Amino acid sequence: SQTIHQWPATLVQPVGSPLSLECTVEGTSNPNLYWYRQAAGRGLQLLFYSVGIGQISSEVPQNLSASRPQDRQFILSSKKLLLSDSGFYLCAWGRTGGGYTFGSGTRLTVV
Amino acid sequence: GENVEQHPSTLSVQEGDSAVIKCTYSDSASNYFPWYKQELGKGPQLIIDIRSNVGEKKDQRIAVTLNKTAKHFSLHITETQPEDSAVYFCAASSYGKLTFGQGTILTVHP
Repeated sequence: SQTIHQWPATLVQPVGSPLSLECTVEGTSNPNLYWYRQAAGRGLQLLFYSVGIGQISSEVPQNLSASRPQDRQFILSSKKLLLSDSGFYLCAWGRTGGGYTFGSGTRLTVV
Repeated sequence: GENVEQHPSTLSVQEGDSAVIKCTYSDSASNYFPWYKQELGKGPQLIIDIRSNVGEKKDQRIAVTLNKTAKHFSLHITETQPEDSAVYFCAASSYGKLTFGQGTILTVHP
């Protein structure tokens, strides 16, 4: 069966520090991968999605970037965090025309 | 692109009552409509879904209905229990990408 792993679960980082969040998927190949941010426990904002290795689409201009160095690995990064980057970050995988399976999320607090 | 509106934003019911959450979508090409439940501090979990060639689907206490003509779909939860308390999201799939509603905070009071 397919599983999705996301880490760390919580992270407290100072303003101006770098960020790296990692997501891996097991049990499937060539998945579509997604990074979402959720502020205040409500709406899901799509940040990036990828349909293949090295293929990244950005939905919202921001202080973040994403990379897909391997088929089942998706990384969310920042060179210098801002206070406004705080939030709940969710990785997900899916197939075209189907639903998504979400990871357990990372609670990021920028102080 | 697709636009999904979800109502209500908050819903409070007594244990045993029914709860209904409604969503509308804009793109007539959308053909897949999942519903997710998100508990506090966790990722959303798929609870039920429906495709555009079906009008209704039921799984125990939860059901989803779809009206393609009106472009709206609804989640129905019967005999609600306190553990149903969570944030619920609807979504619509258009050209391979899901667009989510803004979520409904459901509170079931014992």
